[in-house]
Amino acid sequence: EPEVTQTPSHQVTQMGQEVILRCVPISNHLYFYWYRQILGQKVEFLVSFYNNEISEKSEIFDDQFSAERPDGSNFTLKIRSTKLEDSAMYFCASRRQGSNIQYFGAGTRLSVL
Amino acid sequence: SQELEQSPQSLIVQEGKNLTINCTSSKTLYGLYWYKQKYGEGLIFLMMLQKGGEEKSHEKITAKLDEKKQQSSLHITASQPSHAGIYLCGADIVGYGNKLVFGAGTILRVKS
Repeated sequence: EPEVTQTPSHQVTQMGQEVILRCVPISNHLYFYWYRQILGQKVEFLVSFYNNEISEKSEIFDDQFSAERPDGSNFTLKIRSTKLEDSAMYFCASRRQGSNIQYFGAGTRLSVL
Repeated sequence: SQELEQSPQSLIVQEGKNLTINCTSSKTLYGLYWYKQKYGEGLIFLMMLQKGGEEKSHEKITAKLDEKKQQSSLHITASQPSHAGIYLCGADIVGYGNKLVFGAGTILRVKS
């Protein structure tokens, strides 16, 4: 069964460093999403992507964040100048045209020290 | 944000018992989605409900959406240890774009 793949599974970084989280969505899906879940809190929407462009972003998704699709398969989330409070699980999700179901990857656990 | 309220926060049931988890929205929903998450892992899609009054079942799990499309319940019959995990409701809320808004989750433990 096709699945959303996220790498790395765990990323440890020093405060102030830049990180890139990677996602390979399900192959025929056209809508992509990033969410995050701070430990003990709700899953929160960050950004959605369609047709190689950001279609919607939350208040959390400020200038520190960027999302892009550098090639035909990968979808990335870049966090510049990481802060302690960026520590969280980051989930990528995708859905196909004509369906509202979002399928999630296993997540990347980001630890900022 | 408090758009989706889930209850209970946690639940411990004896294996074989039935249980119900509720998800309530203060706003009308386009759709309601149930996911299961094992601690520290990804979200596994369980069911989607879109029509008022809709009910869906898969194995021993049944989900319903009320007629007003503001409340959903997830019912597990004859619970098993494999049902243990965190159950999350997510919703497409009218006027909120195409993102999902999630409830806080219900932690389910099943005692053998």
